[in-house]
Amino acid sequence: SQQGEEDPQALSIQEGENATMNCSYKTSINNLQWYRQNSGRGLVHLILIRSNEREKHSGRLRVTLDTSKKSSSLLITASRAADTASYFCATDTFGNEKLTFGTGTRLTIIP
Amino acid sequence: DTAVSQTPKYLVTQMGNDKSIKCEQNLGHDTMYWYKQDSKKFLKIMFSYNNKELIINETVPNRFSPKSPDKAHLNLHINSLELGDSAVYFCASSGGRYTQYFGPGTRLTVL
Repeated sequence: SQQGEEDPQALSIQEGENATMNCSYKTSINNLQWYRQNSGRGLVHLILIRSNEREKHSGRLRVTLDTSKKSSSLLITASRAADTASYFCATDTFGNEKLTFGTGTRLTIIP
Repeated sequence: DTAVSQTPKYLVTQMGNDKSIKCEQNLGHDTMYWYKQDSKKFLKIMFSYNNKELIINETVPNRFSPKSPDKAHLNLHINSLELGDSAVYFCASSGGRYTQYFGPGTRLTVL
């Protein structure tokens, strides 16, 4: 069964605006990660947040995690055309490196 | 310099044929994975090997057989290809810290 579901499925914003996408999952997790996939390419790791963390930053990325709601959000500030890609959340459980991916959000930045 | 490489990038073949996809990583990681990404971009794990040993084997038809000659290589052999096997197949590796590094993908089209 699908562990993570991203919301929205697709998002289009103007360059310079902030983009927020959400991920919900079903079971208890150890870590939650966000990956980016450019068209026709492999996935690239962006950021990892542990289950005991609530917020993490990396450059223009801000990730939050609410384990009580089993949800996470990824905020990209000051978006750029190069941010156009699909974004996936992925979770793992304690003692198991297997990642379960969400359904992805397709982000389009309009120049 | 490529961390995780896959060959071929594109594979077009007839139903019933047997084909192989090769994956190599130069990151020194112990764990490698095969994923299948369908037309809706849903990414699902198929297999995982740790130091040449199979550790994850999801519900995959036994027409799919992974082979790991050494910990830097994980190949995927597919027998009797079917139309439903058409997808993008990704290889990935990890060094035990949950983050995974993906190859560029192999787009398989079965006619």
